[in-house]
Amino acid sequence: QQQVKQSPQSLIVQKGGISIINCAYENTAFDYFPWYQQFPGKGPALLIAIRPDVSEKKEGRFTISFNKSAKQFSLHIMDSQPGDSATYFCAARMETSGSRLTFGEGTQLTVNP
Amino acid sequence: DAGITQSPRHKVTETGTPVTLRCHQTENHRYMYWYRQDPGHGLRLIHYSYGVKDTDKGEVSDGYSVSRSKTEDFLLTLESATSSQTSVYFCAISESSWRQGANYGYTFGSGTRLTVV
Repeated sequence: QQQVKQSPQSLIVQKGGISIINCAYENTAFDYFPWYQQFPGKGPALLIAIRPDVSEKKEGRFTISFNKSAKQFSLHIMDSQPGDSATYFCAARMETSGSRLTFGEGTQLTVNP
Repeated sequence: DAGITQSPRHKVTETGTPVTLRCHQTENHRYMYWYRQDPGHGLRLIHYSYGVKDTDKGEVSDGYSVSRSKTEDFLLTLESATSSQTSVYFCAISESSWRQGANYGYTFGSGTRLTVV
């Protein structure tokens, strides 16, 4: 039972383009939505996160857009660079369940030079 | 990786043998987690711990057990390894609560690549 659905599975973008990754969730008890970035051979690392009382959060070239009514959130990477090539995971947290994170399936992003 | 280490980094084992993976943290964080990562499935929670000797099951706990006798160590044991347990295993840690305005999140180890032949 996948409570967080992520798409697309893979994404190829040209340098300077915008990368968009989407996630949808089912459980309205989720109260925090982080994104993780993972490079080959490494563990995932926290990239940016948002709470459901905010519709957008921006940190540098990375922006999360959050639509509470649609139960969807997305990651936008502006001016994508080859160094952004990695696997991205969205996640959702339910504080009442021991602060566990439920992850999406992951998106492999390739930014061509 | 920010005070969390996993060992071993790679392991090949035979079907039916027990295997123990170790996660060690120096951050004194309360929560520790074991995830497995498989293509198309993302990261799935196996077990987690919310304190010494306090553990609970995740979504894919069958065939796995855990122990936490000290704050800093969280062990994952495959009781009798099967080929379906071939995967990359990640340990993660987190603080007990997140501070207002701060980005809350896990800190992950570098993973253990386990192959069961």
